[in-house]
Amino acid sequence: AQSVTQLDSQVPVFEEAPVELRCNYSSSVSVYLFWYVQYPNQGLQLLLKYLSGSTLVESINGFEAEFNKSQTSFHLRKPSVHISDTAEYFCAVTEGKTSYDKVIFGPGTSLSVIP
Amino acid sequence: DTEVTQTPKHLVMGMTNKKSLKCEQHMGHRAMYWYKQKAKKPPELMFVYSYEKLSINESVPSRFSPECPNSSLLNLHLHALQPEDSALYLCASTRGEGVSYNEQFFGPGTRLTVL
Repeated sequence: AQSVTQLDSQVPVFEEAPVELRCNYSSSVSVYLFWYVQYPNQGLQLLLKYLSGSTLVESINGFEAEFNKSQTSFHLRKPSVHISDTAEYFCAVTEGKTSYDKVIFGPGTSLSVIP
Repeated sequence: DTEVTQTPKHLVMGMTNKKSLKCEQHMGHRAMYWYKQKAKKPPELMFVYSYEKLSINESVPSRFSPECPNSSLLNLHLHALQPEDSALYLCASTRGEGVSYNEQFFGPGTRLTVL
């Protein structure tokens, strides 16, 4: 069975400092990996995804994540955070066997950017 | 149109009321999902419809009744709810056709309060 671990439930960081949000998964098969962001009182938005190919994926707002198969990790990084990055971040995994696969979400990491 | 819409945004209901949540997408997606999300927790899958047929029911109590009248519309009928059912209810959709990575598009959610 698949599972997703996000070791840090809360990450406070000063504005313009770098940040890393950790995500590890377990699965016996190949998976597809996602990071979703949820701003207060909103639904989830896809931040970035790894499907295949280059192990480094980037989003349009400066976040990047690297897929590491040997470490079974998909950590999210940003070199300089902004106040507007304050949100809940969920790592997710799916096996993609069927057209309506379950998506397994991690417990989430609450990122707080301090002015 | 690249969004999932949900109505109403907020709903307050008594334990004897009957109400419905509505979700709509016009992206041609063939799989639609209902999730329940408690504060600071990841979404919990409730139901999945694929090609307008119920494909997954995660042992949800019968006081929640899903309905998929057509490929664009998903309803969740509520009856005799309990206060612990108060949560954010999220709808999502995926292409569900020829694509196996199941990128989920989420709606903004309905904030439900059961008194």
